[in-house]
Amino acid sequence: QKEVEQNSGPLSVPEGAIASLNCTYSDRGSQSFFWYRQYSGKSPELIMSIYSNGDKEDGRFTAQLNKASQYVSLLIRDSQPSDSATYLCAVQGNNDMRFGAGTRLTVKP
Amino acid sequence: KAGVTQTPRYLIKTRGQQVTLSCSPISGHRSVSWYQQTPGQGLQFLFEYFSETQRNKGNFPGRFSGRQFSNSRSEMNVSTLELGDSALYLCASSLETAAYGYTFGSGTRLTVV
Repeated sequence: QKEVEQNSGPLSVPEGAIASLNCTYSDRGSQSFFWYRQYSGKSPELIMSIYSNGDKEDGRFTAQLNKASQYVSLLIRDSQPSDSATYLCAVQGNNDMRFGAGTRLTVKP
Repeated sequence: KAGVTQTPRYLIKTRGQQVTLSCSPISGHRSVSWYQQTPGQGLQFLFEYFSETQRNKGNFPGRFSGRQFSNSRSEMNVSTLELGDSALYLCASSLETAAYGYTFGSGTRLTVV
């Protein structure tokens, strides 16, 4: 079992729709959770961090964390073609930050 | 302020050679982590340095090593290169700990032929 699992996609949504990205993790002791966006040919960019159960909103992005279910999600509202990228879920354990394989999102105009 | 700087951007090496990659973190950031990214394995953690000391290490063979200097700049070295070492090597900078998230450099694309 991989330590951080994401739906590999690809996920395709029309412009203006809500994109929902999901992630599960195996280390119950994990304390810090992140979403990174990686455009093709570029390096990952931090877009959201969340540390406690519940929702955290930042503009069009909402991160959700449920530690009991070991589940993290990212919602992108009013999706734009510029949101087309690979989204990486990352979980900080005791020793390092582990990344999921990423979900490729395509937003179609 | 300047971001994370990695050099060189691209490298082509022959099997059996060794290579050194360099990373300058954001000014004031003391933690530098290194990752290998490949299409098949995704982002794999290599090691983390903090205050010139290796704080954590991933599951890579001893051919992969690194160090950090007093100005927080870091280098990683790969000896006896293998074809499977071809990858994008990313350096990630953070203030004290990765718990606040990383800022990544642009990466070094290593091709081993």
